[in-house]
Amino acid sequence: SYELTQPPSVSVSPGQTARITCSGDKLGDKFAYWYQQKPGRSPVLVIYQDNKRPSGIPERFSGSNSGNTATLTISGTQALDEADYYCQAWDSSTAVFGGGTKLAVL
Amino acid sequence: EVQLVESGGGLAQPGRSLRLSCTASGFTFGDYAMNWVRQVPGKGLEWVGLIRSRAYGGATEFAASVKGRFTMSRDDSEGIAYLQMNSLKTDDTAVYYCSRLGAAVGVFDYWGQGTLVTVSS
Repeated sequence: SYELTQPPSVSVSPGQTARITCSGDKLGDKFAYWYQQKPGRSPVLVIYQDNKRPSGIPERFSGSNSGNTATLTISGTQALDEADYYCQAWDSSTAVFGGGTKLAVL
Repeated sequence: EVQLVESGGGLAQPGRSLRLSCTASGFTFGDYAMNWVRQVPGKGLEWVGLIRSRAYGGATEFAASVKGRFTMSRDDSEGIAYLQMNSLKTDDTAVYYCSRLGAAVGVFDYWGQGTLVTVSS
């Protein structure tokens, strides 16, 4: 079965750029999606189809996807960006989530 | 405003059944596929399955971990998606979210608040 691998945690200083990776076999041939989840809350879509931002998501969130790796980039990271982030892709008709990355803004 | 509200969670014994509901509002429910995603408290997200819209025959897909035990249905007139969970296992303990599959290909664009299912004797 298809697998997506994320680092368990990423740390960033406020105002700096955070990059969260998601690896999967030929992931670049698929669309990658990213979801943000804060404690006790439901996931929120932040990036879809590799690099598109839904309305209401700040411009500091961006995405890329090539080869075997998709990357979520948060520029000028703010304290309120501290959350768990999950990548997701489709393998045939099955949705697959990465294990999640806890972003710490220190 | 799009809203998804799950209900039906609770405590069930192993081997028993439970049915979850996802009540939708704020959009034309029948035009969208609906998904269920679960999350063991403190752990990651796991896709459970989806039910396509009537335009695609209402076909369903399931994760291997629940195939043959879980089914999905929908009532487009009421705007409700159902997840029927049979032969429950302790590993099925999780918060279950319903999510809409958006117009953009493959995107879970709206999520409910989740309902907790606990499987324990």
